[in-house]
Amino acid sequence: GAVVSQHPSRVICKSGTSVKIECRSLDFQATTMFWYRQFPKQSLMLMATSNEGSKATYEQGVEKDKFLINHASLTLSTLTVTSAHPEDSSFYICSATKEGIGPQHFGDGTRLSIL
Amino acid sequence: QKEVEQDPGPLSVPEGAIVSLNCTYSNSAFQYFMWYRQYSRKGPELLMYTYSSGNKEDGRFTAQVDKSSKYISLFIRDSQPSDSATYLCAMSKAAGNKLTFGGGTRVLVKP
Repeated sequence: GAVVSQHPSRVICKSGTSVKIECRSLDFQATTMFWYRQFPKQSLMLMATSNEGSKATYEQGVEKDKFLINHASLTLSTLTVTSAHPEDSSFYICSATKEGIGPQHFGDGTRLSIL
Repeated sequence: QKEVEQDPGPLSVPEGAIVSLNCTYSNSAFQYFMWYRQYSRKGPELLMYTYSSGNKEDGRFTAQVDKSSKYISLFIRDSQPSDSATYLCAMSKAAGNKLTFGGGTRVLVKP
């Protein structure tokens, strides 16, 4: 159990495009989901914490108008990178906790490349 | 100084050897400790999840937590080439809270 699915796995798009990434908990309800960014050969950097039915909490330095997070149901959170630019190219990973407690279970990430 | 320190490696071992990984941390408020394995271009996979001090064993994996020393370890017995990956330690102050990660240790198990 505790499977988290992330879609798409790979996105290549032009500068100025908005990109939406979905994160789904397949076999459990996730009141809390997390969004991370990872640069090559570096550890995960938390971007925001997403709570079902409420506004996301963003980490310091993360532009909330740039990275829109919606957690409309107990199994789905989305991250939209608005007006993406080459510097937004990165590996984005989501995670979820069962019923808001316990360890985080991660999706397989989305590799975003902005040309 | 980072809150969680982890040797980046790479740590190279022959197949069948014991892999020993560790992290040190500075914040005594951390209560929950995790080890994740991450293959290239994939998300982290949970290996071990422990609360407070003590040992936990699961198959070939053993996790140890020493809160008095602010030191956690992961041991992998009978290592296999498929264990070659980056291993991340992570910890949180409360269940379900955000995680603080170590930088990861890259492990290579040679056949």
